[in-house]
Amino acid sequence: GAVVSQHPSWVICKSGTSVKIECRSLDFQATTMFWYRQFPKQSLMLMATSNEGSKATYEQGVEKDKFLINHASLTLSTLTVTSAHPEDSSFYICSAEGGSTDTQYFGPGTRLTVL
Amino acid sequence: AQSVTQLGSHVSVSEGALVLLRCNYSSSVPPYLFWYVQYPNQGLQLLLKYTTGATLVKGINGFEAEFKKSETSFHLTKPSAHMSDAAEYFCAVSVGDYKLSFGAGTTVTVRA
Repeated sequence: GAVVSQHPSWVICKSGTSVKIECRSLDFQATTMFWYRQFPKQSLMLMATSNEGSKATYEQGVEKDKFLINHASLTLSTLTVTSAHPEDSSFYICSAEGGSTDTQYFGPGTRLTVL
Repeated sequence: AQSVTQLGSHVSVSEGALVLLRCNYSSSVPPYLFWYVQYPNQGLQLLLKYTTGATLVKGINGFEAEFKKSETSFHLTKPSAHMSDAAEYFCAVSVGDYKLSFGAGTTVTVRA
């Protein structure tokens, strides 16, 4: 149980284009999902907290107009990187809170490369 | 605000030897503590967690950790390392609001 998927697992795009990443909780409903960014050899940095049916809460320093988050259902949250640039290249990981538990379950991550 | 410090960015052990990964936390309220493992190009997998109750927590793959409030520590151990334990390990803390603060991570390599 408590499986989280992400799609795509990797994506390469041209500078200036937008990329959408999906995060799904497969066998449970998640009121809250989280989006993290991880640079090579570094820890995870929380970008935003996504709550179903409401606006996401962004961490300080994260541009909300650049990283659009939508949490339209209890099993799906999406992160759209708008007008991507090479500095946006990173490993993006989502997680979902496990309902009655106090644990986050993580997706496998999406490797974004912007050329 | 809460934070985590992982002592040692890289640990190298021989196969069969003890694995010890150190984690100290800072929190103004009783913390929830977690250890996650990350294999290359993958997401994070929960090894174990402490919320309340018994301070010695057993997790998957033979790992365990002990919450020591007096030392503000939550060190991770495994009695006998296996080659498959080579990975990145993250300690994390929350205050029950699901938001996790991660340590910088410790890379474990296992020598044959």
